[in-house]
Amino acid sequence: AQSVTQLGSHVSVSEGALVLLRCNYSSSVPPYLFWYVQYPNQGLQLLLKYTSAATLVKGINGFEAEFKKSETSFHLTKPSAHMSDAAEYFCAVSPHFGSNQGGKLIFGQGTELSVKP
Amino acid sequence: GAVVSQHPSRVICKSGTSVKIECRSLDFQATTMFWYRQFPKQSLMLMATSNEGSKATYEQGVEKDKFLINHASLTLSTLTVTSAHPEDSSFYICSAPTTGKGHEQYFGPGTRLTVT
Repeated sequence: AQSVTQLGSHVSVSEGALVLLRCNYSSSVPPYLFWYVQYPNQGLQLLLKYTSAATLVKGINGFEAEFKKSETSFHLTKPSAHMSDAAEYFCAVSPHFGSNQGGKLIFGQGTELSVKP
Repeated sequence: GAVVSQHPSRVICKSGTSVKIECRSLDFQATTMFWYRQFPKQSLMLMATSNEGSKATYEQGVEKDKFLINHASLTLSTLTVTSAHPEDSSFYICSAPTTGKGHEQYFGPGTRLTVT
């Protein structure tokens, strides 16, 4: 069974500081991995996705993530935090394309990012 | 880009009544849609997979008779919470996958259900 673990339910950084949100996955097949952002009372917006191409994935709003198979990790980073980055971030995993569970997303617990001025 | 809408965005109902939530794909067809539930300060939990023209597939622990799903067309799926109770109060979010590889999902804005 697939699963996702996000280390740290809450991360606080100062404006301009590095953002690092951790995600580790468990999957018996090569997975597709995603990072989503959620603002209060809203749906989810895709930040970036890993689909077995380049291991370093660049997303929107300056975020990027690196897929490390040896560490089963897909941590999200941003060099310089902005106040508008304050939100809830979810890491998610999906079975590899072609499996009979296509489309399902398994979400991590979420990490709330706070940005201090 | 692809857009998924939900209606209503917020609903308050009395205990024992039923509530219907609509999920629409606005500019693409979706043979499959997914329904998630999110409690405050928690993650999204997949409830069921809505399949156009056939029965929905429910996740373990989700009551089929309580959460009725109908996928009537290629652009509309509905979730009906029957005989709602306060513990059903939650944020319900639907999503629809793109047709390309990668299983990318487009998410609706969510529906906040409050049962009094």
